Amino acid sequence: GNSVTQMEGPVTLSEEAFLTINCTYTATGYPSLFWYVQYPGEGLQLLLKATKADDKGSNKGFEATYRKETTSFHLEKGSVQVSDSAVYFCALSEGISGGYNKLIFGAGTRLAVHP
Amino acid sequence: GAGVSQTPSNKVTEKGKYVELRCDPISGHTALYWYRQSLGQGPEFLIYFQGTGAADDSGLPNDRFFAVRPEGSVSTLKIQRTERGDSAVYLCASSLTSEAYNEQFFGPGTRLTVL
Repeated sequence: GNSVTQMEGPVTLSEEAFLTINCTYTATGYPSLFWYVQYPGEGLQLLLKATKADDKGSNKGFEATYRKETTSFHLEKGSVQVSDSAVYFCALSEGISGGYNKLIFGAGTRLAVHP
Repeated sequence: GAGVSQTPSNKVTEKGKYVELRCDPISGHTALYWYRQSLGQGPEFLIYFQGTGAADDSGLPNDRFFAVRPEGSVSTLKIQRTERGDSAVYLCASSLTSEAYNEQFFGPGTRLTVL
């Protein structure tokens, strides 16, 4: 079945460092891909998404490109801040006949940014 | 406007008891999803409603779990004869429609602890 694999955490970085969190997926068809973020004490929030191959999603300085040839959707940010400390989840929408949006999540990667 | 709300935020119960978890989706959202998040894992799909009907309940772990959405808005997840393994955070999400590219908005979750 469809699945998402993301790099294990925790990832610990200094402020202003470059961030990459790897995400690869297995899917039939052409899923949409998402990154969700969970800040401490808060609910899951959509960070960015891409709905077709070669699309780049971006938000708050984060970017991810839908790479069909490598089945990847790696999350990057050029300069992280302490406020980016959170758990990041990669997800795909499983194409179900009828077209509804059942999300398959990775296990999450905890990011800790220190001053 | 208001986001997705879930009540209670925390529920502690004893093994064998019955519990109900409530979800109030964003007004006007036709699609509603329940997920379960175990410690250190990503959310796992349980059930999806389009309007009043459960269009896909393939993620419910067994027949002790049941969910309803009688008027197409509020949903209740019901767990009978709770077991310690049911302990998790139960997340509800809603989206405007069910198309695969649509954002799901998540509630803060209900943390269920079965003693």
